[in-house]
Amino acid sequence: GAVVSQHPSWVICKSGTSVKIECRSLDFQATTMFWYRQFPKQSLMLMATSNEGSKATYEQGVEKDKFLINHASLTLSTLTVTSAHPEDSSFYICSAIRSDSSYNEQFFGPGTRLTVL
Amino acid sequence: LAKTTQPISMDSYEGQEVNITCSHNNIATNDYITWYQQFPSQGPRFIIQGYKTKVTNEVASLFIPADRKSSTLSLPRVSLSDTAVYYCLVRGDSGYSTLTFGKGTMLLVSP
Repeated sequence: GAVVSQHPSWVICKSGTSVKIECRSLDFQATTMFWYRQFPKQSLMLMATSNEGSKATYEQGVEKDKFLINHASLTLSTLTVTSAHPEDSSFYICSAIRSDSSYNEQFFGPGTRLTVL
Repeated sequence: LAKTTQPISMDSYEGQEVNITCSHNNIATNDYITWYQQFPSQGPRFIIQGYKTKVTNEVASLFIPADRKSSTLSLPRVSLSDTAVYYCLVRGDSGYSTLTFGKGTMLLVSP
């Protein structure tokens, strides 16, 4: 299989604090991981592409200093929401591509629900 | 990136076959067509992917005409648990190709 996990599954924090979300590929290595954000009743919006050992590539309009991404190993990428505010409340989803895949399909994690009070 | 257009919603009943059509008029030569399913508060789940003609797996079939400007996801004998949002996406063949999600099709299966 190709299982991607996220931790935590949900988190509630106070405004101004930072929150770290982990994305792990459990049974495969992932050179490339992606981070998405999904607001209620809306579609997924790509935030950034995370490549192991290099800087992440952010989509237009996504603040790299606010959403820190670290892809330190072939099985782990982290997203840190710094100085979170209520407008950052959303469903954050990661995905990963198997390094040995011929089809390059993305396997998604279960998502992390962030609520900023 | 090729933009996709699909119906916002569809209704069906248990046991019926459901066909969801997606148009992607600007699809490029190297692009693949991929379908995902998403339940509320869950990450999308890969359903099927194809390049041309017909692809079938244990879950669904994907029909792609010769001009590749559209595709149809076919779900045989749907059940209540197939109620979900279905996304049609077009992506390049590179491992670094990003996915652009549209609004998807909300499929509601009733008893």
